Amino acid sequence: TQLLEQSPQFLSIQEGENLTVYCNSSSVFSSLQWYRQEPGEGPVLLVTVVTGGEVKKLKRLTFQFGDARKDSSLHITAAQPGDTGLYLCAGDPVNTGTASKLTFGTGTRLQVTL
Amino acid sequence: DAGVIQSPRHEVTEMGQEVTLRCKPISGHNSLFWYRQTMMRGLELLIYFNNNVPIDDSGMPEDRFSAKMPNASFSTLKIQPSEPRDSAVYFCASSHGLAGTLRTVSYEQYFGPGTRLTVT
Repeated sequence: TQLLEQSPQFLSIQEGENLTVYCNSSSVFSSLQWYRQEPGEGPVLLVTVVTGGEVKKLKRLTFQFGDARKDSSLHITAAQPGDTGLYLCAGDPVNTGTASKLTFGTGTRLQVTL
Repeated sequence: DAGVIQSPRHEVTEMGQEVTLRCKPISGHNSLFWYRQTMMRGLELLIYFNNNVPIDDSGMPEDRFSAKMPNASFSTLKIQPSEPRDSAVYFCASSHGLAGTLRTVSYEQYFGPGTRLTVT
C-alpha cells in the first residue's frame, strides 16, 4: 500500500498569513494532484503536477512536486477565509494500468479566520 | 452540464437494514469510482469501474458491500446488512479513462456531493 502522509493535520491561521502544507510518501508517483474539499461537498481538483521539480502557481497558491516524485508541497500566500477547507493530495502510482486509481493523502484541514 | 449526481444526500437507517446508494456520472466519462470518507480513515477508494466493468474492488471492506454499473450512466453501491461502523460519507467520482492504454498522467476526478450515511 502506498501511503501519502500530509502535515500538518490541522492548521488555524489568521487572514494574511502564509502557510505550507506537505505531502510525503516513500513511493514514487507518476503524477500528483491537489484537491480542496469544502464542508458538505466533494473534493475539487486544484492542480496536477507531473514532472519532478515542477512548480505550478494558481493565483496565491504555489504547488511543487519533489525532484524524486515522492513528495509535494502547497504554499498559500496571504491566506483568505475563502481558502478554508480540507486539502488533499492524491498520487497516481507508477504503472497501475488503464484507469486512474489515485491514492489520497490523510488531509490537512485549514481554517482561516478574520 | 450537470456534475456527478448522487442520491440520496442523507440516509439514516437501522443496523441490519439494506442501504442502496446511487450515482449518475458525468456523461462521456468512462471511469467511475466509489469512495468512503471518515475522520479516522480519510478518503478510501472502495471500487472503480472502467467502461462499466469493475477493475479493482480490493477496497471493498467485506462481502456486505457490493457495487454494480449496469450502464454508462448509472451505478449503485449496496450495503446489506448495514452496521454502525459503515457510517460515513460515500462519494462517487467519474473521470475520463483510456481503456487498454498505458497513460502517464491521471485524469481529473469529478466528485459528487456525497451521501452521508448514518447507521444506528
